[in-house]
Amino acid sequence: EVVLTQSPGTLSLSPGEPATLSCRASQSVSNNFLSWYQQMPGQAPRLLIFGASNRANGIPQRFSGSGFGADFSLTISRLEPEDFAVYFCHQYGSSPWTFGQGTKVEI
Amino acid sequence: QVQLQESGPGLVKPSETLSLTCTVSGDSVGRYYWGWLRRPPGKGLEWIGHLYYSSARPTYNPSLKSRLTISVDRSTDQVSLRLSSVTAADTAMYFCVRVDRLNFDHYYFDLWGAGTPVTVSS
Repeated sequence: EVVLTQSPGTLSLSPGEPATLSCRASQSVSNNFLSWYQQMPGQAPRLLIFGASNRANGIPQRFSGSGFGADFSLTISRLEPEDFAVYFCHQYGSSPWTFGQGTKVEI
Repeated sequence: QVQLQESGPGLVKPSETLSLTCTVSGDSVGRYYWGWLRRPPGKGLEWIGHLYYSSARPTYNPSLKSRLTISVDRSTDQVSLRLSSVTAADTAMYFCVRVDRLNFDHYYFDLWGAGTPVTVSS
């Protein structure tokens, strides 16, 4: 099983600042099949990035994903007020699909 | 607007079978994969399994496969989960999800139910 470890657990930043979130896998993620989701309080998660670096439809350009193998990152170039949320990574390259435990981005 | 609503008993006794139903409203179950996730207390999400609406071959988490059945009823637009021989480790919030694909290979969860809590206890 591919274990995904996200860091940091909490990121305290201000609007306008950049944010970099890490997702490290216990082994290489097959085909870089790694996605990132954003979850706002009381809402369902929303897909941001798939295939490690592809933005989903309607996702602002300030969100970008990078990485390959076992080391992946989500970068938010300039935090907007609505970006303060929980972010988690998900690998779907091998069974069982697994999730990171999440990073909370707070003001 | 498509919505998913989970339902089922909030409390199940150890060794019994957990049965949950997800009712899809606003659309039919056709054309998509449907599945279940869960989040045990204080832990991260766990993928349980999913099934294409017209397939008889679901994809299950290997750790649950021997106890698990996921099915889709096209006549009622419902997705079901049955998990047998439950233990306290099965206590979790259970989520029904619709699974879509991008560019053929990239699976993602595009719709989520609000979740239903399940406690396994005598």
